[in-house]
Amino acid sequence: GAVVSQHPSWVICKSGTSVKIECRSLDFQATTMFWYRQFPKQSLMLMATSNEGSKATYEQGVEKDKFLINHASLTLSTLTVTSAHPEDSSFYICSATGTESYEQYFGPGTRLTVT
Amino acid sequence: AQKVTQAQTEISVVEKEDVTLDCVYETRDTTYYLFWYKQPPSGELVFLIRRNSFDEQNEISGRYSWNFQKSTSSFNFTITASQVVDSAVYFCALSEQSGTYKYIFGTGTRLKVLA
Repeated sequence: GAVVSQHPSWVICKSGTSVKIECRSLDFQATTMFWYRQFPKQSLMLMATSNEGSKATYEQGVEKDKFLINHASLTLSTLTVTSAHPEDSSFYICSATGTESYEQYFGPGTRLTVT
Repeated sequence: AQKVTQAQTEISVVEKEDVTLDCVYETRDTTYYLFWYKQPPSGELVFLIRRNSFDEQNEISGRYSWNFQKSTSSFNFTITASQVVDSAVYFCALSEQSGTYKYIFGTGTRLKVLA
């Protein structure tokens, strides 16, 4: 149980375009979803927290107009990187919590490369 | 302030050696959770263990064991008889009740097991 999927697993896009990453909880309802970014050889950095039907809460320093998060249902959250630039190239990981809010279940990650 | 320190950036061992990965945390909460995750080259985080602040029992799972000591705010992870497949980055994480259970990750320890 507690499986989280992400789509796509990797994506290459051109500078200036937007790209959407989906995060789904497959076998449970996710009360809260989290989005992380991980640069090479670094730790995971929390970008934002979202609850179904509510606006996402962004961490300090994360541009909410650039990283649009939509948590439309209890099983789906999306992250849209708008007007992507090469410096946005990174590994994006989502996670979700179910009834036990203290434990997050992680997706496999999406590798974004902006050329 | 809450913090997780993994002082060992990289460790190299020869196969069959035992290795301990250190994790020291800071929190003012009495209710919190500690986690260890493995991140192989594929990038997907693999859950290893969860410990809550009220359970100081050490745990053993096969070649893996964990030593949780509240007196020193440490949650160390030992791999016995290491194998090449153990090569990965290992992250320790803290989740606090007062922090709405957002994860605070350590910087990770890269373990290289040489054949």
